[in-house]
Amino acid sequence: DAEITQSPRHKITETGRQVTLACHQTWNHNNMFWYRQDLGHGLRLIHYSYGVQDTNKGEVSDGYSVSRSNTEDLPLTLESAASSQTSVYFCASSESSIAVKQSFGPGTRLTVL
Amino acid sequence: GESVGLHLPTLSVQEGDNSIINCAYSNSASDYFIWYKQESGKGPQFIIDIRSNMDKRQGQRVTVLLNKTVKHLSLQIAATQPGDSAVYFCADGEVRGGTSYGKLTFGQGTILTVHP
Repeated sequence: DAEITQSPRHKITETGRQVTLACHQTWNHNNMFWYRQDLGHGLRLIHYSYGVQDTNKGEVSDGYSVSRSNTEDLPLTLESAASSQTSVYFCASSESSIAVKQSFGPGTRLTVL
Repeated sequence: GESVGLHLPTLSVQEGDNSIINCAYSNSASDYFIWYKQESGKGPQFIIDIRSNMDKRQGQRVTVLLNKTVKHLSLQIAATQPGDSAVYFCADGEVRGGTSYGKLTFGQGTILTVHP
């Protein structure tokens, strides 16, 4: 069955370190999204991509970057982790025909000490 | 930017009762609305969606109602079960195109607790 996976599921890192969170989908969806979820803020969009080599900034993109070299993967990189980036991160994907109908991964819980 | 919001952050019901979760949205350009369910430790799971040219859509035990006049969305769950206990999010987006194409705006979520 097609699915969307994230790794690692849990990560503890130190302030200033570079961290990369992986997202892999086998739906063959063109659109992929990264969100962070914090209490009191719901889900907030970090970056998104409509296809290979396409990336766009969301509402909370500062300190994060993404790259899209193939259809299946959209890794999220924290250039220099900060304590404010402690959060749960979700990856999602969707078809081009109904881009807003997004399927979500299981999430990665990141703690920055 | 505009956002989707919820009237009630928590809802407690007895097993077998019907549940109604409400949501107010503000973006008049949104043409697609979705309800997600999120269980503890998991990602949001799609429940049901509705396009702006509809006012009602039914699924298995769930019904979504859309009132564009007052920009209100609701999710009705019939015969609520303990397994329905979760956080429910409404979200809206645009599918027609433009700078907001494909992006979802989420509400804060409503915690539904079902007591046996």
